[in-house]
Amino acid sequence: GAVVSQHPSWVICKSGTSVKIECRSLDFQATTMFWYRQFPKQSLMLMATSNEGSKATYEQGVEKDKFLINHASLTLSTLTVTSAHPEDSSFYICSASRDRVSGTGELFFGEGSRLTVL
Amino acid sequence: GQQLNQSPQSMFIQEGEDVSMNCTSSSIFNTWLWYKQEPGEGPVLLIALYKAGELTSNGRLTAQFGITRKDSFLNISASIPSDVGIYFCAGQEGLTFGTGTRLTIIP
Repeated sequence: GAVVSQHPSWVICKSGTSVKIECRSLDFQATTMFWYRQFPKQSLMLMATSNEGSKATYEQGVEKDKFLINHASLTLSTLTVTSAHPEDSSFYICSASRDRVSGTGELFFGEGSRLTVL
Repeated sequence: GQQLNQSPQSMFIQEGEDVSMNCTSSSIFNTWLWYKQEPGEGPVLLIALYKAGELTSNGRLTAQFGITRKDSFLNISASIPSDVGIYFCAGQEGLTFGTGTRLTIIP
């Protein structure tokens, strides 16, 4: 299957700082990537759709100024959590589709990034 | 976003037993996907379903896309210890996830 990699795997930061998480598709090009958030023992909740070369589309209730998404190339999307607070602590996961054009719809997920804000 | 209702929420079974879980939605989906997630990792795709009524197998796993397009089930036969994890269904091409089924296997 296709490979999607996230970095860092885990990060601890102080309240008020900003944290950047990278999502890369290693062996395919992804015009669209997706960012999810997962709290302990809960399901994945879609935060936003990251589109290469254009603005991200955010789900209802997700603050776009808080969670900045940049999709600068066909293999890289970044999520920046700005002015992080303890309530932003969560597991952030990205995904990308290898072949959405044909409608196969298979998403491949990164390993996830665990953010802990002190 | 919308969540899919998945049941059961958790299962405690003995090694060798078969497992069955299902997922329902109030909306019609054109794609149903089943993922497994282990602690601290991202979900891994197990089976993808694209047609109503489709029955697909992947080793000991079998999944079906409901005729109404509003439900799907996943079966695991002859469970083994490495089957432990959380299983999620997903619709809308992976953009809407189920609530998850946590599988625990008793040796």
